[in-house]
Amino acid sequence: DVKVTQSSRYLVKRTGEKVFLECVQDMDHENMFWYRQDPGLGLRLIYFSYDVKMKEKGDIPEGYSVSREKKERFSLILESASTNQTSMYLCACTGGRNEQYFGPGTRLTVT
Amino acid sequence: GENVEQHPSTLSVQEGDSAVIKCTYSDSASNYFPWYKQELGKRPQLIIDIRSNVGEKKDQRIAVTLNKTAKHFSLHITETQPEDSAVYFCAGENTGFQKLVFGTGTRLLVSP
Repeated sequence: DVKVTQSSRYLVKRTGEKVFLECVQDMDHENMFWYRQDPGLGLRLIYFSYDVKMKEKGDIPEGYSVSREKKERFSLILESASTNQTSMYLCACTGGRNEQYFGPGTRLTVT
Repeated sequence: GENVEQHPSTLSVQEGDSAVIKCTYSDSASNYFPWYKQELGKRPQLIIDIRSNVGEKKDQRIAVTLNKTAKHFSLHITETQPEDSAVYFCAGENTGFQKLVFGTGTRLLVSP
């Protein structure tokens, strides 16, 4: 079974703080993704990575950056958190097949 | 790029009824269309998928149909049960890297 873990289930941060969300997968998958999930908007892609140190912008990259120093770990960084970044953040990975395996999610609240 | 629209946003049925969720996509080059189910408080999980060289695929009570000409695909759930209650997302694969574009989701409620 693919295991995808995220560093926190719940996180509360203040406006302007730098926030790190981490995702780790144990299946040696090449592709990793960060989404945010908001009611009525579905899952929107923030960034993805297809290899170590490689990253590509998704549909809503503004205000975010990512880091992939090791194949199993993909980090999402909010450089200066704002209230409109309050959301559920989901990490996913995929290997040779198309199925995306999701982490449990991090519910981030920015106050 | 790909755009996926999903309807309805909410769907309420009685146990035993059928449920149908519809999605349309914009990019005729898309060739992979999965459906994910997300139960309350849990992560999305793949329940069925279809590739563009197939018109229909079935797995027990769940089926997906694809109309490439019209660029739409649908999820059909027969004999619904309360445990089918969840949010369902359709998606289309965008160009390369197994990147998916998701619909906005359908909240299905199955009442006993």
